[in-house]
Amino acid sequence: AQSVTQLGSHVSVSEGALVLLRCNYSSSVPPYLFWYVQYPNQGLQLLLKYTSAATLVKGINGFEAEFKKSETSFHLTKPSAHMSDAAEYFCAVSGGNNFNKFYFGSGTKLNVKP
Amino acid sequence: GAVVSQHPSWVICKSGTSVKIECRSLDFQATTMFWYRQFPKQSLMLMATSNEGSKATYEQGVEKDKFLINHASLTLSTLTVTSAHPEDSSFYICSAGGGTGIYQPQHFGDGTRLSIL
Repeated sequence: AQSVTQLGSHVSVSEGALVLLRCNYSSSVPPYLFWYVQYPNQGLQLLLKYTSAATLVKGINGFEAEFKKSETSFHLTKPSAHMSDAAEYFCAVSGGNNFNKFYFGSGTKLNVKP
Repeated sequence: GAVVSQHPSWVICKSGTSVKIECRSLDFQATTMFWYRQFPKQSLMLMATSNEGSKATYEQGVEKDKFLINHASLTLSTLTVTSAHPEDSSFYICSAGGGTGIYQPQHFGDGTRLSIL
């Protein structure tokens, strides 16, 4: 079975500051891991994904994440926050008998202060 | 790029009615699609896997008779919420991926907000 835990339901940073959103996973098989962003009343947009290739994954809008097997983590970072980054972020895991079926974390709402 | 379209984007209806939500893959064929439900300020919960030409596979705790899924073609899956009640009000999102590999990059629809009065 797969699951993810996102620590911190709300994160607040100043514009220009480092963004760090935490995600830890649990999986009995090598996982695929994803970060999605959701703006109010919209669907999900893929930021980046890890599918067993390079452990440091670069995504869109300057985001990146590193897969650390020893820590079962896949934290999302961005060096410098922008006001437009304010949104809800979801970490997801897939694997096992179906790599296309996702299990999402509870989400982290990112607030960016001017 | 690949696009998944959901319709309607917003629906309000009376308690007891049935509501159908469509999920279409616009430029690729999808043998499987997935339906998720998102309660306000909560995460997405996988409801079921929609399989083209066969029965859907439901996650534990999801009522099959309440949430009817039909995947009659390679580009269309429908979710029908039968005899809807206020507790069915939620945001429903589908996803689909093209190709035949074990991993098909999933594209999410923009979601359907369902409000039952």
